[in-house]
Amino acid sequence: DAGVIQSPRHEVTEMGQEVTLRCKPISGHDYLFWYRQTMMRGLELLIYFNNNVPIDDSGMPEDRFSAKMPNASFSTLKIQPSEPRDSAVYFCASRQRDSTGELFFGEGSRLTVL
Amino acid sequence: KNEVEQSPQNLTAQEGEFITINCSYSVGISALHWLQQHPGGGIVSLFMLSSGKKKHGRLIATINIQEKHSSLHITASHPRDSAVYICAVRRVDKLIFGTGTRLQVFP
Repeated sequence: DAGVIQSPRHEVTEMGQEVTLRCKPISGHDYLFWYRQTMMRGLELLIYFNNNVPIDDSGMPEDRFSAKMPNASFSTLKIQPSEPRDSAVYFCASRQRDSTGELFFGEGSRLTVL
Repeated sequence: KNEVEQSPQNLTAQEGEFITINCSYSVGISALHWLQQHPGGGIVSLFMLSSGKKKHGRLIATINIQEKHSSLHITASHPRDSAVYICAVRRVDKLIFGTGTRLQVFP
């Protein structure tokens, strides 16, 4: 398997623009997680899905952030409108259902909002 | 106080040295992960533990559930081990992360 695939790897945009980050989890994995990493706050969970259903979105910063998982092989994280404080690396990760499931991370999407 | 505390925050070593990174947590967990992140790079899961000890090559991870403490050891450290090591505990389905330990190994 190719692992968790994220795109784009890098995105530079201007404040106010819409940003869409994409993730393809490992086939057969039931859980998908979106994390954000910044120097100030480290890694934070934004939202996670189980069998394509959002389970906990309490980490989503505000209404400008939204995430969807229309099927088992694809998820998006959207920021609209983007702000400079959204600049961070966004990681997607997936794992299988069982409690011993290892977590596999994508390479991350580095977002810079000017 | 953070729910997951790591020490030290920064660590430098000479190649060949034995290294220990510690992680303490204050909540009930179902598992503990050790993650590795190279500068500008992605995150790799090194170990997932719920009890005892695991070994992979030069890396050893231990956990003491009663004391809520885990250690990551690197034997015969090498410059390629230079990275940030992150401890994360799993509560139900969510991970709570430590702030990481930045390790630099010099030749």
